[in-house]
Amino acid sequence: DGGITQSPKYLFRKEGQNVTLSCEQNLNHDAMYWYRQDPGQGLRLIYYSQIVNDFQKGDIAEGYSVSREKKESFPLTVTSAQKNPTAFYLCASSMPSRAFYGYTFGSGTRLTVV
Amino acid sequence: KNEVEQSPQNLTAQEGEFITINCSYSVGISALHWLQQHPGGGIVSLFMLSSGKKKHGRLIATINIQEKHSSLHITASHPRDSAVYICAVSGSQGNLIFGKGTKLSVKP
Repeated sequence: DGGITQSPKYLFRKEGQNVTLSCEQNLNHDAMYWYRQDPGQGLRLIYYSQIVNDFQKGDIAEGYSVSREKKESFPLTVTSAQKNPTAFYLCASSMPSRAFYGYTFGSGTRLTVV
Repeated sequence: KNEVEQSPQNLTAQEGEFITINCSYSVGISALHWLQQHPGGGIVSLFMLSSGKKKHGRLIATINIQEKHSSLHITASHPRDSAVYICAVSGSQGNLIFGKGTKLSVKP
């Protein structure tokens, strides 16, 4: 079955360390997105990519980096510059040119800084 | 003011009750989405609407483009419907703008 795989589900990081969250899709979707969710807040856009080798900053990109070397993969690195990285991170994909297909979401990664 | 507002924030219902969750938005949209998030965190897309009404099982979603308002209805609610329901709108860049969600708890 097609879908999005995020790994790991839970991640613990020491302060000052970079960590990379994985997001892989086999839906042949062009666009991929990273969102962050904090308690009591709506999901906020970190980065998005509409085609391979291209990506754009979202609303809260500071302290994060991404790459899109393959259509299937859109990893997110949480760097030590991110002041408050403890949150739930959600990856999504869509096929913008076929908007009626909507979005597909991963199951998320919960990152905790210890 | 948030671009997507949901009400209520929290909702407790008895099994069998008819439930309505509301969503208002203030931006131009290409589509509105209703999503369901279970305690584990994963999100499932329930509906994508650009006009009118859609129905899937006990779930009904409506949208009024002129009033910039959408509702999600659940008929004959069941404890397994307990989840956070999120309204989101498609922005100009193809990304989604999310409401804060409505936490629904259905008691047996």
